[in-house]
Amino acid sequence: GQNIDQPTEMTATEGAIVQINCTYQTSGFNGLFWYQQHAGEAPTFLSYNVLDGLEEKGRFSSFLSRSKGYSYLLLKELQMKDSASYLCAVQDSNYQLIWGAGTKLIIKP
Amino acid sequence: GAVVSQHPSWVICKSGTSVKIECRSLDFQATTMFWYRQFPKQSLMLMATSNEGSKATYEQGVEKDKFLINHASLTLSTLTVTSAHPEDSSFYICSASGRSDSKTEAFFGQGTRLTVV
Repeated sequence: GQNIDQPTEMTATEGAIVQINCTYQTSGFNGLFWYQQHAGEAPTFLSYNVLDGLEEKGRFSSFLSRSKGYSYLLLKELQMKDSASYLCAVQDSNYQLIWGAGTKLIIKP
Repeated sequence: GAVVSQHPSWVICKSGTSVKIECRSLDFQATTMFWYRQFPKQSLMLMATSNEGSKATYEQGVEKDKFLINHASLTLSTLTVTSAHPEDSSFYICSASGRSDSKTEAFFGQGTRLTVV
């Protein structure tokens, strides 16, 4: 079956760095997405990886290893507004998105 | 980036009535539209996938006659919750997919919070 695993909840301190991991097993692979979702709102796109390596975009970076079925989202210089759920999603061979359950990130002052 | 507009943002309806939710892609042609449902503290659950001009493909456990999906054009898809009941109260999100910058990305609507009383 298809499966996306990510931690349920993480806590970090304002100004620090946090890494949210995601492992996946899917039928085919056409890219991996990270989304941020604040409570009561739709997810917003953060990053897209289809090739191995690190994609950096401001304070957020995303890494992909296709051979290991592994990705991580790295958030630097954490701000209180970064408190949200972070969703990992893989696009399978049919271009459908397979979603992880999301990681709730709690930022403390 | 691409914009997907979903309307309404929230709706309260009486049990037994029907509610229509619209999803429009504003600046690109959405070859495929996805409808998701999200219950509190749970992940997004795909309900159905629709390609323009053809019937939607529903996920297992989703009632076709209850959740009517129409994807009549490359810019508009609608989800109609028929004979709504309190257990249908949820957050519904549409997502439109089309070719953009040489990769296929899925863009999300703002979501619709449905409360059935």
